Amino acid sequence: QSVLTQPPSVSGAPGQRVTISCTGDSSNIGARYDVHWYQQVPGTAPKLLIYNDNRRPSGVPDRFSGSKSGTSASLAITGLQAEDEADYYCQTYDRSLNDHLFGTGTTVTVL
Amino acid sequence: QVQLVQSGAEVRIPGASVEVSCRASGYSFTEYVIHWVRQAPGQGLEWIGWVNPPSGTTLYTQRFQGRVTMTRDTTTTTAFMELNSLTSDETAIYYCVRENGHTGIFDYWGQGTLVSVSS
Repeated sequence: QSVLTQPPSVSGAPGQRVTISCTGDSSNIGARYDVHWYQQVPGTAPKLLIYNDNRRPSGVPDRFSGSKSGTSASLAITGLQAEDEADYYCQTYDRSLNDHLFGTGTTVTVL
Repeated sequence: QVQLVQSGAEVRIPGASVEVSCRASGYSFTEYVIHWVRQAPGQGLEWIGWVNPPSGTTLYTQRFQGRVTMTRDTTTTTAFMELNSLTSDETAIYYCVRENGHTGIFDYWGQGTLVSVSS
């Protein structure tokens, strides 16, 4: 049911940079609602990673960064580390559905 | 520290109901909205709705309207979600989540409650 589309998977070698896209439309990201990102290590609850498009909660390494433009948002991980292997979800609000939406999710694999 | 502690795993047959609880601590319970999110095995996150603790006001996503009830008990700082008429494809982990202010930011998550639906 999600209208926030993410690539199913991305991968990279340790130390590399990977990006995850989150594509919405004019009712959500394009309506300038803030985008938030969550990291979910398998078997655990999601954890807030980025909020308000590009802000990091205390304790989140600055290797993680977020951006937004038009109807899309992106999460970048630089200096990829083995511990970054997880699922990542974007999230925002949709004014047409009056719902909070999650992206379809992206699995990051460190080669 | 902020904690959301959920009730234990449940097993139900199709057509039954389930109630999951979420006890909050470490912050002022009536100052933050509690949301419920679920995740089927191997699938993504799905938002179900929210309850506003000071008033008990609720809002549910359309697909759950008529089947879900979210309540809260301010004396025990506990939120509840009841889901009726369960189907087998609703086997999932159900999470309670705190929203930071009224920002749409889900800053603290419960550990999750596995609800298994099987005949």
